Amino acid sequence: KNEVEQSPQNLTAQEGEFITINCSYSVGISALHWLQQHPGGGIVSLFMLSSGKKKHGRLIATINIQEKHSSLHITASHPRDSAVYICAVPNYGGSQGNLIFGKGTKLSVKP
Amino acid sequence: KAGVTQTPRYLIKTRGQQVTLSCSPISGHRSVSWYQQTPGQGLQFLFEYFSETQRNKGNFPGRFSGRQFSNSRSEMNVSTLELGDSALYLCASSPQLAGGPDTQYFGPGTRLTVL
Repeated sequence: KNEVEQSPQNLTAQEGEFITINCSYSVGISALHWLQQHPGGGIVSLFMLSSGKKKHGRLIATINIQEKHSSLHITASHPRDSAVYICAVPNYGGSQGNLIFGKGTKLSVKP
Repeated sequence: KAGVTQTPRYLIKTRGQQVTLSCSPISGHRSVSWYQQTPGQGLQFLFEYFSETQRNKGNFPGRFSGRQFSNSRSEMNVSTLELGDSALYLCASSPQLAGGPDTQYFGPGTRLTVL
């Protein structure tokens, strides 16, 4: 079974700050997912990445396959970025829809 | 394209009852996964269906079951409800055309409260 560790669990930032959220996993994977969950429950997929780096707007995700580590960066953070950020990987030996999740990072961005 | 839809959005049941939740995936998506989210355990995988076949099942008791229809719509059923089954139940769909990694598209969830 794959294990997923996320840090930090809680993060408070001032508007405009650069944010980094980290995710480590124990078993080799084909892809890692970064998800965003707003109050109310809806989950949005931000990134799925297998190697290197992806960028979407102010969000950047990187992954180091050898070190089994991924980071999610938010540049110029804004109060609307306040949400829970979750990383997820396929369970070892499972199919792509069988995901194991980190416990999430609750981000609060103050104006 | 319409997103993943789940019905009902909210549900209140009492212990011992059973419940059926429904998930309609994005048109053309063949894989549907179900997840349970609780404050204590976070997000946990329940099961995954692909082309009407259960492909994987998480570590949940047999009271939790599901199925997928030929149009890819999926239902999950929980029998003999317990207080601990109170949770947000999320389904996610993906195309699964080539068998490789796929973005998961999540529905809004069904919030189940067991009294």
